[in-house]
Amino acid sequence: GENVEQHPSTLSVQEGDSAVIKCTYSDSASNYFPWYKQELGKRPQLIIDIRSNVGEKKDQRIAVTLNKTAKHFSLHITETQPEDSAVYFCAASMRYGGSQGNLIFGKGTKLSVKP
Amino acid sequence: GAVVSQHPSWVICKSGTSVKIECRSLDFQATTMFWYRQFPKQSLMLMATSNEGSKATYEQGVEKDKFLINHASLTLSTLTVTSAHPEDSSFYICSALAGNTGELFFGEGSRLTVL
Repeated sequence: GENVEQHPSTLSVQEGDSAVIKCTYSDSASNYFPWYKQELGKRPQLIIDIRSNVGEKKDQRIAVTLNKTAKHFSLHITETQPEDSAVYFCAASMRYGGSQGNLIFGKGTKLSVKP
Repeated sequence: GAVVSQHPSWVICKSGTSVKIECRSLDFQATTMFWYRQFPKQSLMLMATSNEGSKATYEQGVEKDKFLINHASLTLSTLTVTSAHPEDSSFYICSALAGNTGELFFGEGSRLTVL
């Protein structure tokens, strides 16, 4: 089955700096890679996602890159702000048409942005 | 966006009792719902996949007789923790797959504490 590795487990940056979180996956059939932000005790919130037919996607200060050959994808947050502090999870699954297979999550990265 | 409601948000019960957690999609039909378990400072671990009108598919290591899942309608799935023990204390989160768009939405989570 699919296995998702996420690094680093904790990341501390200064406000305004960039943050990068990396994930690798094992199942070459996976084609959907979402990123979630989870604040303490709350539900995960989808912040950005990418499909395997795209190499990069950007949404304001957040971008995700995908290297399908190497089976790794990364989250990039630029101009970090204190409110970006949270736990971020990457995930991988197979998505086809209107259906989606199981989401397998990475172990999470606790991001701390210091003012 | 679409809303997934989970109830109760927190519950405290005595060891040996059973607890039911509901997951409802409020404004869309969910063909598939997923149940996750999250321990403090850890990732979301998929427990089972619930499809409307059929038996749930459990992940390896998850006891189906202990964690009963029912998906009786396109808007409701329930997770019943039977004969709960302190080690079952955890944060349980559901997610629902919107059948028409294929998007995945998370519930708010339910914190279970077994005394």
